[in-house]
Amino acid sequence: AQSVTQLGSHVSVSEGALVLLRCNYSSSVPPYLFWYVQYPNQGLQLLLKYTSAATLVKGINGFEAEFKKSETSFHLTKPSAHMSDAAEYFCAVSGGRGYQKVTFGIGTKLQVIP
Amino acid sequence: DSGVTQTPKHLITATGQRVTLRCSPRSGDLSVYWYQQSLDQGLQFLIQYYNGEERAKGNILERFSAQQFPDLHSELNLSSLELGDSALYFCASSAQGGGYTFGSGTRLTVV
Repeated sequence: AQSVTQLGSHVSVSEGALVLLRCNYSSSVPPYLFWYVQYPNQGLQLLLKYTSAATLVKGINGFEAEFKKSETSFHLTKPSAHMSDAAEYFCAVSGGRGYQKVTFGIGTKLQVIP
Repeated sequence: DSGVTQTPKHLITATGQRVTLRCSPRSGDLSVYWYQQSLDQGLQFLIQYYNGEERAKGNILERFSAQQFPDLHSELNLSSLELGDSALYFCASSAQGGGYTFGSGTRLTVV
């Protein structure tokens, strides 16, 4: 079974500041890990994914995440927040290869303060 | 446009009624997943189909059912609707191991 825990349901940062959204996972098999973003009244869009290759994964819109097996973490970062980054972010995990069910965290709402 | 099409976008219906939500997956994707998103429950996995067959089941109520047709589109049927069924219903499709592509969702309001 897989699960993810997102620390902080709401995060506020100033425009231009570092964005750090935390995610810890639990998985009984080597996991695939994902970050999704959801803008108001829209579906979820894949930001980036880890599928057992490079541990530092770069995604769209300047986001990246690092897979740390020893810490069972997959935190999402962006060096400089932009107003357009305000959205809800979901960390997710699946059991790896194949058409596996993806389990989502509760989401973190990011507020960017001008 | 993600390539996953969900219809209708909005649906308002009365308690006790039945509705059908439709999803067309991205071209070439064999697997379809249904999720329910509500404020208090977050994103809840309902059910997965792969190439026409049920593959996994999550927190899906007995009043809900789904199927995937030979052309790979899927329908989610919700019956005996209750106020608490009001939510966003998302469909996603996937290629092997690649993560999901989500549709824009159907917002169901039960009054």
